Amino acid sequence: EAQVTQNPRYLITVTGKKLTVTCSQNMNHEYMSWYRQDPGLGLRQIYYSMNVEVTDKGDVPEGYKVSRKEKRNFPLILESPSPNQTSLYFCASSLLGNPRPDTQYFGPGTRLTVL
Amino acid sequence: AQTVTQSQPEMSVQEAETVTLSCTYDTSENNYYLFWYKQPPSRQMILVIRQEAYKQQNATENRFSVNFQKAAKSFSLKISDSQLGDTAMYFCAFILNYGGSQGNLIFGKGTKLSVKP
Repeated sequence: EAQVTQNPRYLITVTGKKLTVTCSQNMNHEYMSWYRQDPGLGLRQIYYSMNVEVTDKGDVPEGYKVSRKEKRNFPLILESPSPNQTSLYFCASSLLGNPRPDTQYFGPGTRLTVL
Repeated sequence: AQTVTQSQPEMSVQEAETVTLSCTYDTSENNYYLFWYKQPPSRQMILVIRQEAYKQQNATENRFSVNFQKAAKSFSLKISDSQLGDTAMYFCAFILNYGGSQGNLIFGKGTKLSVKP
């Protein structure tokens, strides 16, 4: 089954404790992206990647890191989480549109709470 | 910079009736794509419908259709014969097409739709 998976689905942690949220897709997509969703703000892009070893900042990158060492995986790293990073996080992937952007497919979401 | 505006934070509709959700966007570019995504209580993001800006014909997907007005930069979603399972948050989204590359997906803040029995 074609899908984007995220782990963990739920996480409660404390300020300053490093954590990683994994994202994996089995559709051979070049493009992967992380979003955060906050009430009243919609989804905002954190980082994205056009291909292996190619990553770039989205609209709200502060406090986050990513890496893309393999095509299927795109982990999101919070080196020192803070309470303002409490949010619902989505990973998404798509083919890199040529000549047209492809539809992005979303993972199930990760609910993160930082105390 | 591109922006997407959904002016209706919440809406409700009776089962079997028709409802229209509004979306406007702002861009100076000509080549882009528009999407409606649905987020039910399960929180999964599900693609509802997609519209290519160069196509004048409005996209349709079963009970879902759009009214795309390029000059007005408007992209509304019409849901016909509303069903209880349509209860969800609906997001309008926009992406630029650079012809071989693409911009980033930009979302509106969402409209919470409740379908009442």
